[in-house]
Amino acid sequence: ETGVTQSPTHLIKTRGQQVTLRCSSQSGHNTVSWYQQALGQGPQFIFQYYREEENGRGNFPPRFSGLQFPNYSSELNVNALELDDSALYLCASSLLGQNTGELFFGEGSRLTVL
Amino acid sequence: KNEVEQSPQNLTAQEGEFITINCSYSVGISALHWLQQHPGGGIVSLFMLSSGKKKHGRLIATINIQEKHSSLHITASHPRDSAVYICAVTGNYQLIWGAGTKLIIKP
Repeated sequence: ETGVTQSPTHLIKTRGQQVTLRCSSQSGHNTVSWYQQALGQGPQFIFQYYREEENGRGNFPPRFSGLQFPNYSSELNVNALELDDSALYLCASSLLGQNTGELFFGEGSRLTVL
Repeated sequence: KNEVEQSPQNLTAQEGEFITINCSYSVGISALHWLQQHPGGGIVSLFMLSSGKKKHGRLIATINIQEKHSSLHITASHPRDSAVYICAVTGNYQLIWGAGTKLIIKP
């Protein structure tokens, strides 16, 4: 039990739709990062939020956006879904960021785009 | 060449064997993480290292900063250790992930 919860655990969408995934961080953690893991692949960094501001972004288009709230919970929004967006989306919380803090991962949200 | 290389990619062993998984990296890092991912997806952080050695139960992780190399050892392996083990390093603001090592421990 890491204290990081993600919802929903599974969902199915169709091409062109929009999706919002949610992550509740470990208590006291001020940093959350999001990853996309396609089947059989390693996780790819999407972005990181620190105290409600995006402070790092991987190679993902602008239709991938996020929010971090004052309670440090977070959302990942994906617009105009494409088939290749089908993946497991993982969030990880830490204190002070990935460079200095141990990471706590949620179980992930598995998105299928048809 | 990937910035983080793990070996072996796949490892099958008998219960009780001593397991070693290796990780080499080519970038400057502030920390190295060993992570465990079970089928179904959830990732658990095993260790975060910036120098030396750490031990937790049957798991031992070492890092040699000069050689840019880390190892994860499992003593007295058990079928429940079967999982994918991932080495990841922190550089700047993001994790750089290795491809993972799929470990199967047979009873």
